[in-house]
Amino acid sequence: EDQVTQSPEALRLQEGESSSLNCSYTVSGLRGLFWYRQDPGKGPEFLFTLYSAGEEKEKERLKATLTKKESFLHITAPKPEDSATYLCAVRRDTGRRALTFGSGTRLQVQP
Amino acid sequence: DVKVTQSSRYLVKRTGEKVFLECVQDMDHENMFWYRQDPGLGLRLIYFSYDVKMKEKGDIPEGYSVSREKKERFSLILESASTNQTSMYLCAIQGGTNEKLFFGSGTQLSVL
Repeated sequence: EDQVTQSPEALRLQEGESSSLNCSYTVSGLRGLFWYRQDPGKGPEFLFTLYSAGEEKEKERLKATLTKKESFLHITAPKPEDSATYLCAVRRDTGRRALTFGSGTRLQVQP
Repeated sequence: DVKVTQSSRYLVKRTGEKVFLECVQDMDHENMFWYRQDPGLGLRLIYFSYDVKMKEKGDIPEGYSVSREKKERFSLILESASTNQTSMYLCAIQGGTNEKLFFGSGTQLSVL
């Protein structure tokens, strides 16, 4: 059974204070690891897909990295508009095409 | 841009009612999914469909059924709503080079 665990559950940062979110996963064979951002009352929005260990993707202040057991979402010099819930998900390389999600990290960036 | 439309943003229903949640896509994607999202539990897969008239159970199908009569529409049905089905329901389609999911805005369902 695929499992995704995200930590911390919640994180409060000051504007400009860099940090990282963790996503640990267990899957029989990884086809892709996905990061999403979700604002209150809205559906998740796609950020990144990572396919193999060592891969990195960047978008503005966000950088996602992948190892064989976990992924990190690094947030550099965050701004209040980065406040959201960040979700991690995996898709296995055989069988089911659906994604298995973690419970998310709720990030709050204070000015 | 891909558009996934869920018919209602908020719904309030009574225990025992039959509830229909509708999801419509504007692209020609085959794969469609229904998830529910609860605090601390993340998104959990209810049902999915890879083609018209095709459906597969997800991880938590009990108390739900689905219908896909046309490619662009995927409906989630609560046969007899119960209070433990109060949740945010999210429809998604799968497409693009990354096979990522595109989500609708969600339906917040309250069962009283």
